[in-house]
Amino acid sequence: GAVVSQHPSWVICKSGTSVKIECRSLDFQATTMFWYRQFPKQSLMLMATSNEGSKATYEQGVEKDKFLINHASLTLSTLTVTSAHPEDSSFYICSARDLSGEGRESQPQHFGDGTRLSIL
Amino acid sequence: GQNIDQPTEMTATEGAIVQINCTYQTSGFNGLFWYQQHAGEAPTFLSYNVLDGLEEKGRFSSFLSRSKGYSYLLLKELQMKDSASYLCAVTDSNYQLIWGAGTKLIIKP
Repeated sequence: GAVVSQHPSWVICKSGTSVKIECRSLDFQATTMFWYRQFPKQSLMLMATSNEGSKATYEQGVEKDKFLINHASLTLSTLTVTSAHPEDSSFYICSARDLSGEGRESQPQHFGDGTRLSIL
Repeated sequence: GQNIDQPTEMTATEGAIVQINCTYQTSGFNGLFWYQQHAGEAPTFLSYNVLDGLEEKGRFSSFLSRSKGYSYLLLKELQMKDSASYLCAVTDSNYQLIWGAGTKLIIKP
Protein backbone atom coordinates (compact mmCIF):
# COMPACT_ATOMS: atom_id res chain seq x y z
CA GLY A 1 0.00 0.00 0.00
CA ALA A 2 0.88 3.66 -0.18
CA VAL A 3 3.59 4.73 2.21
CA VAL A 4 4.33 8.12 3.66
CA SER A 5 7.64 8.65 5.39
CA GLN A 6 7.98 11.37 8.02
CA HIS A 7 11.29 12.41 9.51
CA PRO A 8 12.45 12.92 12.19
CA SER A 9 10.24 10.89 14.50
CA TRP A 10 11.46 12.61 17.64
CA VAL A 11 12.99 16.04 18.27
CA ILE A 12 14.11 17.61 21.54
CA CYS A 13 15.59 21.08 21.30
CA LYS A 14 16.02 24.37 23.08
CA SER A 15 13.56 27.23 22.96
CA GLY A 16 14.23 29.56 20.05
CA THR A 17 15.44 26.82 17.71
CA SER A 18 13.84 26.28 14.32
CA VAL A 19 12.87 22.71 13.51
CA LYS A 20 12.24 21.24 10.08
CA ILE A 21 10.05 18.17 9.57
CA GLU A 22 9.99 16.30 6.26
CA CYS A 23 7.15 14.33 4.75
CA ARG A 24 7.67 12.14 1.71
CA SER A 25 5.30 10.01 -0.30
CA LEU A 26 7.28 6.94 -1.32
CA ASP A 27 5.21 5.21 -3.97
CA PHE A 28 2.62 7.69 -5.20
CA GLN A 29 2.36 11.30 -6.27
CA ALA A 30 0.99 13.37 -3.43
CA THR A 31 -0.82 16.22 -5.11
CA THR A 32 -2.03 17.35 -1.71
CA MET A 33 -0.33 17.10 1.66
CA PHE A 34 -1.75 17.94 5.06
CA TRP A 35 -0.11 18.92 8.30
CA TYR A 36 -1.80 18.14 11.60
CA ARG A 37 -1.01 18.76 15.22
CA GLN A 38 -2.28 16.65 18.06
CA PHE A 39 -1.99 17.41 21.76
CA PRO A 40 -2.21 14.54 24.27
CA LYS A 41 -5.67 12.99 24.50
CA GLN A 42 -7.05 15.43 21.94
CA SER A 43 -8.22 15.00 18.37
CA LEU A 44 -6.26 15.76 15.21
CA MET A 45 -6.11 19.46 14.40
CA LEU A 46 -5.53 20.37 10.78
CA MET A 47 -2.93 23.11 10.54
CA ALA A 48 -2.59 23.56 6.80
CA THR A 49 -3.16 22.03 3.40
CA SER A 50 -0.54 22.29 0.71
CA ASN A 51 -0.75 21.58 -2.98
CA GLU A 52 2.38 20.97 -4.97
CA GLY A 53 3.82 24.15 -6.42
CA SER A 54 1.48 26.56 -4.67
CA LYS A 55 1.22 28.30 -1.32
CA ALA A 56 -0.22 26.41 1.60
CA THR A 57 -3.68 27.16 2.90
CA TYR A 58 -3.58 27.64 6.65
CA GLU A 59 -6.43 26.98 9.05
CA GLN A 60 -7.76 29.80 11.15
CA GLY A 61 -5.55 30.56 14.11
CA VAL A 62 -2.41 28.97 12.63
CA GLU A 63 0.39 31.47 12.12
CA LYS A 64 1.83 31.09 8.65
CA ASP A 65 5.03 32.90 9.63
CA LYS A 66 5.50 30.53 12.53
CA PHE A 67 4.79 27.32 10.64
CA LEU A 68 6.43 27.50 7.23
CA ILE A 69 5.27 24.92 4.73
CA ASN A 70 6.97 24.10 1.47
CA HIS A 71 5.62 21.60 -1.05
CA ALA A 72 8.14 21.90 -3.83
CA SER A 73 7.63 18.51 -5.43
CA LEU A 74 4.97 15.82 -5.76
CA THR A 75 6.74 13.67 -3.22
CA LEU A 76 8.03 16.08 -0.58
CA SER A 77 6.55 18.62 1.79
CA THR A 78 8.33 20.25 4.72
CA LEU A 79 7.05 21.97 7.83
CA THR A 80 9.43 24.33 9.62
CA VAL A 81 8.52 25.45 13.12
CA THR A 82 10.37 28.72 13.45
CA SER A 83 11.71 29.97 16.78
CA ALA A 84 9.98 27.14 18.62
CA HIS A 85 8.79 27.62 22.18
CA PRO A 86 7.58 25.14 24.81
CA GLU A 87 3.95 25.72 23.84
CA ASP A 88 4.80 24.39 20.36
CA SER A 89 5.61 21.00 21.86
CA SER A 90 3.20 18.55 20.29
CA PHE A 91 2.79 15.55 17.99
CA TYR A 92 2.96 16.72 14.37
CA ILE A 93 1.61 14.41 11.70
CA CYS A 94 1.68 14.76 7.95
CA SER A 95 -0.53 13.00 5.49
CA ALA A 96 -0.66 12.80 1.74
CA ARG A 97 -3.36 12.15 -0.76
CA ASP A 98 -3.37 11.68 -4.50
CA LEU A 99 -6.24 13.85 -5.69
CA SER A 100 -5.42 13.75 -9.36
CA GLY A 101 -7.34 11.62 -11.80
CA GLU A 102 -10.60 9.76 -11.59
CA GLY A 103 -11.80 8.25 -8.37
CA ARG A 104 -9.91 10.83 -6.37
CA GLU A 105 -12.68 11.11 -3.79
CA SER A 106 -12.06 7.52 -2.73
CA GLN A 107 -8.38 8.08 -2.14
CA PRO A 108 -7.70 7.98 1.60
CA GLN A 109 -5.18 10.15 3.35
CA HIS A 110 -2.05 8.17 4.09
CA PHE A 111 -0.29 9.26 7.24
CA GLY A 112 3.33 9.47 8.20
CA ASP A 113 4.34 8.08 11.58
CA GLY A 114 4.38 11.54 13.15
CA THR A 115 7.04 13.69 14.80
CA ARG A 116 7.07 14.20 18.52
CA LEU A 117 8.45 17.69 19.17
CA SER A 118 9.60 18.66 22.65
CA ILE A 119 10.85 22.20 23.24
CA LEU A 120 12.75 22.75 26.46
CA GLY B 1 -21.19 24.87 9.57
CA GLN B 2 -19.71 21.45 9.08
CA ASN B 3 -20.03 19.01 11.90
CA ILE B 4 -19.21 15.39 12.65
CA ASP B 5 -20.39 13.75 15.86
CA GLN B 6 -19.05 10.59 17.45
CA PRO B 7 -19.27 9.33 21.03
CA THR B 8 -16.22 10.36 23.04
CA GLU B 9 -15.59 7.00 24.64
CA MET B 10 -16.95 3.46 24.58
CA THR B 11 -16.13 0.33 26.55
CA ALA B 12 -16.56 -3.25 25.36
CA THR B 13 -15.51 -6.75 26.36
CA GLU B 14 -12.96 -8.91 24.60
CA GLY B 15 -14.68 -11.25 22.14
CA ALA B 16 -17.81 -9.13 21.93
CA ILE B 17 -19.16 -6.82 19.19
CA VAL B 18 -19.19 -3.03 19.32
CA GLN B 19 -20.77 -0.44 17.04
CA ILE B 20 -19.32 3.07 16.84
CA ASN B 21 -21.70 5.63 15.36
CA CYS B 22 -20.91 8.75 13.39
CA THR B 23 -23.35 11.43 12.22
CA TYR B 24 -22.35 14.21 9.90
CA GLN B 25 -23.58 17.50 8.48
CA THR B 26 -21.31 18.75 5.72
CA SER B 27 -21.44 20.92 2.63
CA GLY B 28 -21.69 18.15 0.11
CA PHE B 29 -20.55 14.58 0.44
CA ASN B 30 -17.89 12.67 -1.44
CA GLY B 31 -17.36 9.73 0.85
CA LEU B 32 -16.75 8.77 4.46
CA PHE B 33 -13.60 7.27 5.94
CA TRP B 34 -12.89 5.40 9.15
CA TYR B 35 -9.42 5.44 10.66
CA GLN B 36 -7.89 3.72 13.66
CA GLN B 37 -5.38 5.54 15.86
CA HIS B 38 -3.45 3.87 18.65
CA ALA B 39 -2.14 6.13 21.38
CA GLY B 40 1.01 7.94 20.32
CA GLU B 41 0.75 6.75 16.73
CA ALA B 42 -0.55 8.18 13.47
CA PRO B 43 -3.98 7.14 12.14
CA THR B 44 -4.27 4.17 9.81
CA PHE B 45 -6.94 3.78 7.15
CA LEU B 46 -9.71 1.24 7.83
CA SER B 47 -12.53 1.79 5.35
CA TYR B 48 -14.22 4.01 2.82
CA ASN B 49 -17.96 4.27 2.04
CA VAL B 50 -19.52 6.40 -0.66
CA LEU B 51 -22.67 4.40 -1.46
CA ASP B 52 -25.36 3.35 0.99
CA GLY B 53 -24.93 -0.01 2.57
CA LEU B 54 -22.51 -2.21 4.40
CA GLU B 55 -18.86 -2.79 3.50
CA GLU B 56 -17.26 -5.76 5.20
CA LYS B 57 -13.54 -6.27 5.73
CA GLY B 58 -12.77 -9.17 7.98
CA ARG B 59 -13.71 -8.36 11.57
CA PHE B 60 -14.50 -4.76 10.67
CA SER B 61 -17.56 -3.52 8.76
CA SER B 62 -18.68 -0.01 7.93
CA PHE B 63 -22.18 1.13 7.10
CA LEU B 64 -23.42 4.30 5.43
CA SER B 65 -26.80 5.97 5.04
CA ARG B 66 -26.43 9.18 3.06
CA SER B 67 -30.04 10.24 3.51
CA LYS B 68 -29.60 10.10 7.29
CA GLY B 69 -26.07 11.50 7.35
CA TYR B 70 -25.08 8.47 9.37
CA SER B 71 -22.40 5.83 9.45
CA TYR B 72 -21.23 3.19 11.86
CA LEU B 73 -18.15 1.06 12.28
CA LEU B 74 -18.82 -2.45 13.54
CA LEU B 75 -16.04 -4.40 15.19
CA LYS B 76 -16.58 -8.11 15.80
CA GLU B 77 -14.67 -10.63 17.93
CA LEU B 78 -12.98 -7.81 19.76
CA GLN B 79 -9.34 -8.23 20.68
CA MET B 80 -7.32 -6.29 23.22
CA LYS B 81 -5.29 -4.75 20.38
CA ASP B 82 -8.49 -3.09 19.11
CA SER B 83 -8.22 -0.64 22.00
CA ALA B 84 -7.66 2.62 20.13
CA SER B 85 -9.38 5.76 18.96
CA TYR B 86 -11.59 5.45 15.91
CA LEU B 87 -11.91 8.52 13.71
CA CYS B 88 -14.73 9.25 11.30
CA ALA B 89 -13.94 11.67 8.45
CA VAL B 90 -16.09 12.98 5.60
CA THR B 91 -14.96 14.40 2.27
CA ASP B 92 -17.05 17.44 1.42
CA SER B 93 -17.90 18.95 -1.97
CA ASN B 94 -14.48 20.64 -2.15
CA TYR B 95 -12.75 17.34 -1.40
CA GLN B 96 -11.75 18.66 2.00
CA LEU B 97 -11.61 16.00 4.69
CA ILE B 98 -13.62 16.95 7.76
CA TRP B 99 -12.59 15.02 10.87
CA GLY B 100 -14.64 13.90 13.83
CA ALA B 101 -13.03 14.14 17.28
CA GLY B 102 -12.70 10.37 17.50
CA THR B 103 -14.12 7.67 19.75
CA LYS B 104 -11.82 6.12 22.30
CA LEU B 105 -12.60 2.41 22.52
CA ILE B 106 -11.56 0.59 25.68
CA ILE B 107 -11.53 -3.22 25.55
CA LYS B 108 -11.77 -5.09 28.86
CA PRO B 109 -10.82 -8.74 29.35
